[in-house]
Amino acid sequence: KAGVTQTPRYLIKTRGQQVTLSCSPISGHRSVSWYQQTPGQGLQFLFEYFSETQRNKGNFPGRFSGRQFSNSRSEMNVSTLELGDSALYLCASSLVTEDFYGYTFGSGTRLTVV
Amino acid sequence: AQSVTQPDIHITVSEGASLELRCNYSYGATPYLFWYVQSPGQGLQLLLKYFSGDTLVQGIKGFEAEFKRSQSSFNLRKPSVHWSDAAEYFCAVEENAGKSTFGDGTTLTVKP
Repeated sequence: KAGVTQTPRYLIKTRGQQVTLSCSPISGHRSVSWYQQTPGQGLQFLFEYFSETQRNKGNFPGRFSGRQFSNSRSEMNVSTLELGDSALYLCASSLVTEDFYGYTFGSGTRLTVV
Repeated sequence: AQSVTQPDIHITVSEGASLELRCNYSYGATPYLFWYVQSPGQGLQLLLKYFSGDTLVQGIKGFEAEFKRSQSSFNLRKPSVHWSDAAEYFCAVEENAGKSTFGDGTTLTVKP
């Protein structure tokens, strides 16, 4: 069974540009969460989508947005990139049932803003 | 707000020695607790989870963790560490749907 797939793996962007990251969850998983990981701030929650609806949002500026498609694939977008947006962006998917089995993470997208 | 504290930033153990990584959480209700492991440049892999019931949970790779409500702790243990266990370990608490709060992580170094 395929894992969580994030594309691209690496990305270099210039300050002021925008970027879109993609996450394909495990087949059957309808919940997708996004996290930003930096050495200084650790792992911080961005947002979570379930059945195309955002259920939770972290404390990030409006430049960070996301969406989920009917096939559960999710994208996150960052507009007007800043140097501080350089990070590893991780997505995680889960099977939402009465028995919660935890999250499966992708390998992440390493974004470098120059 | 929920919080997770991993008091040890870095731990070094000899191969074959036992390991205990500490985790304390702050959460009002019965928490969903997790331990993840991350190798450099990779995503997080779930080691084990606690939802309810037996307070000693078994995970993958020979790891186990014990939930102690009175101490608000969920410490990770392994009886004999292998060189391949060197990685960063994160404790997390599930706040609500799809949102987890993570500790700052503990980096494990294994000496030959």
